[in-house]
Parts: sequence; C-alpha cells; structure tokens
Amino acid sequence: SQQGEEDPQALSIQEGENATMNCSYKTSINNLQWYRQNSGRGLVHLILIRSNEREKHSGRLRVTLDTSKKSSSLLITASRAADTASYFCAPMIYNQGGKLIFGQGTELSVKP
Amino acid sequence: SQTIHQWPATLVQPVGSPLSLECTVEGTSNPNLYWYRQAAGRGLQLLFYSVGIGQISSEVPQNLSASRPQDRQFILSSKKLLLSDSGFYLCAWSVTRDTQYFGPGTRLTVL
Repeated sequence: SQQGEEDPQALSIQEGENATMNCSYKTSINNLQWYRQNSGRGLVHLILIRSNEREKHSGRLRVTLDTSKKSSSLLITASRAADTASYFCAPMIYNQGGKLIFGQGTELSVKP
Repeated sequence: SQTIHQWPATLVQPVGSPLSLECTVEGTSNPNLYWYRQAAGRGLQLLFYSVGIGQISSEVPQNLSASRPQDRQFILSSKKLLLSDSGFYLCAWSVTRDTQYFGPGTRLTVL
C-alpha cells in the first residue's frame, strides 16, 4: 500500500545525540514527506523529498530516499529536548488525488 | 499568509448526539481540504478529502459525513455519535499535490 511504516515505534535519546528514524513503503511514489506532531497538536511539515532525489537537508534535518529499497530515513542531528515529538512519514502518489497515508509514527523522546 | 482554523478545540458529547466540526482556511483559494482522525497513540486515518465545493471523497465507511458548502470551509458531521468516534480530528489543506498544512485539531470524547 501507499502507507509509510515508521521504525522504530519509539526512540529515547539524550540531548546532543543524533536520532535516526526509518520509513518503508510498498509502491512507487512521487515524493515522500516527513511531519512532526507535538503532543496534542496538529502536524507540522518538516521536509519533502522527491522520487528523483536521494538526499535533502534542512537545518539539523537530513532525509534520504532509496527508491530501489522503498525506504527513507530522517536524521536529526544534535537533538534538543524541544525535538521531543512524534514523527510521521507520508509517501505520496500524484494520481491518487494528493492523499497522504500516514503510518503510526515514531515517538521520539529527547532527555535533557 | 495562510491560516487554518478548527473549532471547537475540545468537545465532550454523549453517545447518540449529533456532531458538527468546522474547519476554515484563510489566505488561499480553491484549496484541497482533508479530514483526518487520530485515535489515542495511533497514526492518522484519512476520512474525507475535497478538491472543490461540493466535491467530497470518502476514504473509510463510517458514521461520519463531510460537506464543503464554501470554497474554504469544510465541515465534519455525524447524526448519531458512537463511542468509537472519539479521537483527535485534524483538518488540513493544500494547494499543490505536495505539502499539507494542518489545523490545531479538535479533541472529541464521546461518553
């Protein structure tokens, strides 16, 4: 299915460490997006990587995409307590009306 | 700039009562609009999406319905709430097929 599946489901690290979250999907996609959700809040778009891109950076975020393996990873470097949130990947297929099908997310806890 | 509003922020309703959640978007025209539901500790489930006034696509058979009476207004309704309708309801908009922008959400508890 188009749904992204995040791994691990939960991740706990110390402030300053790097956090890596993975996403797998099953169909060909046009792009893949990562979103963050703070507890009890709406989702915030972090980064979009297109199917013809392999790596993208935004501040402390680094996203990779391997279309041959149908997988993506999100790396947060030098994590901060404020990075504590749930992170979701969402693969997109244009001919499906721009729908995003979210997985269960990775719950990241950064301890000060 | 564009903003998205949802209300109410929280709602407690008895089983069998009706529901109406409203979402409005400002600062853009002809957006795609989406309703998602998130159960406690779970991912988001797409419920409805709309590419224009009066155009609603339903993703999951359920006790809910959606309407888009105006270009930037999206309403989620139910005639009779079930316990299983409890959750966090999120509205989102987009103008391209890419990034979606989410509202603050409505926490619905059905007792």
